[in-house]
Amino acid sequence: EDQVTQSPEALRLQEGESSSLNCSYTVSGLRGLFWYRQDPGKGPEFLFTLYSAGEEKEKERLKATLTKKESFLHITAPKPEDSATYLCAAIRTTNDMRFGAGTRLTVKP
Amino acid sequence: DVKVTQSSRYLVKRTGEKVFLECVQDMDHENMFWYRQDPGLGLRLIYFSYDVKMKEKGDIPEGYSVSREKKERFSLILESASTNQTSMYLCASNGYTDTQYFGPGTRLTVL
Repeated sequence: EDQVTQSPEALRLQEGESSSLNCSYTVSGLRGLFWYRQDPGKGPEFLFTLYSAGEEKEKERLKATLTKKESFLHITAPKPEDSATYLCAAIRTTNDMRFGAGTRLTVKP
Repeated sequence: DVKVTQSSRYLVKRTGEKVFLECVQDMDHENMFWYRQDPGLGLRLIYFSYDVKMKEKGDIPEGYSVSREKKERFSLILESASTNQTSMYLCASNGYTDTQYFGPGTRLTVL
């Protein structure tokens, strides 16, 4: 069965303390891997799409990487405004996007 | 920028009521989606529409129906609301790419 698992469920960091979030997937025929950011009470906001193993994408303090079994979201020198829930999702077809349960990140000043 | 709007941010209904959630996108996207989001379960697809009047069931369609009479508008209908339908409902759309753009969500409470 297709599955997307994110770890850890929650992560607390001090401002400036770099870390990584993990997204492991067992999705046959993967077409793409997505990362979204979701603030409390709001809809997910698109961050990155990765299509092939070895691909990397960066945006400000965030860098997403992809292997054949997992993706990482690396956060370098995080700030309190990076606090949010980060969701990953794997897509096989247009109407088949599987989401993980998310990692809730808190960055303390 | 893609904009997806949802008719209500918060909604409180009684068990047995008929509930309408509306979603509008302004990017002429072909595809629109309704998800529900519950703690620890992630987003689960309720229904998907790939064109006007066309729809496909997602993973959890029971208790829901949808309507797409115009390309920009996709409605989710709870025919007879139940307490287990208390959730956050998210609408999304996409066009020529796989990237789905989400609305702000509607937090529905059924009493």
